[in-house]
Amino acid sequence: EVQLLESGGGLVQPGGSLRLSCAASGFTFSSRAMSWVRQAPGKGLEWVSAITSGGGSTYYADSVQGRFTISRDNSKNTLYLQMNSLRAEDTAVYYCAKDTDTVTDAFDVWGQGTLVTVSS
Amino acid sequence: QLVLTQSPSASASLGASVKFTCTLSSGHNTYAIAWHQQQPEKGPRYLMKLNSDGSHSKGDGIPDRFSGSSSGAERYLTISSLQSEDEADYYCQTWGTGIAVFGGGTKLTVL
Repeated sequence: EVQLLESGGGLVQPGGSLRLSCAASGFTFSSRAMSWVRQAPGKGLEWVSAITSGGGSTYYADSVQGRFTISRDNSKNTLYLQMNSLRAEDTAVYYCAKDTDTVTDAFDVWGQGTLVTVSS
Repeated sequence: QLVLTQSPSASASLGASVKFTCTLSSGHNTYAIAWHQQQPEKGPRYLMKLNSDGSHSKGDGIPDRFSGSSSGAERYLTISSLQSEDEADYYCQTWGTGIAVFGGGTKLTVL
């Protein structure tokens, strides 16, 4: 069974940092691009960041460029999102999503999400 | 700029059919999209990938009641024989080099 399991969410103060992880299983992790998508309370889905299958290229939404860093460890089948300089508007459920290709494409598997709350 | 436009809400009766529209921004009418369902208090679920020619490939376990079609810059999701569990938010998604984009979502109410 293909699964994605996020972890690392929690409460953090404005300006703080947090690292999210996404453990993948049931597919060849190293052959698929991956993304992070977030959903603020009561809002729609927002793409945050993507990384190609080999990790050689990374991409970011303007809202997180320069503050967030996406990475992956294909030997551990794990995707990461390092979030620095967090703001109240970063409060959201963060989902990892599997692409159907080696580069950004349709997301065909989603994790259950992890909640990040930025508040003092 | 790559943008997807969806109506905010829709409603239909139990057992009826409903058709959602996702419109691609100007100059992007050959793009494929994906449809995702998000039931209340749950994470999104992939429904299908829909190409500009109307061909589509559905996710594992997606019932035949769900189908897709295309016309020009518009991409459609049709659900027939509506069931109560179809009440959810429906999002379209597309992508380009180094970017993914979501529509604002359509909230379906099953009457």
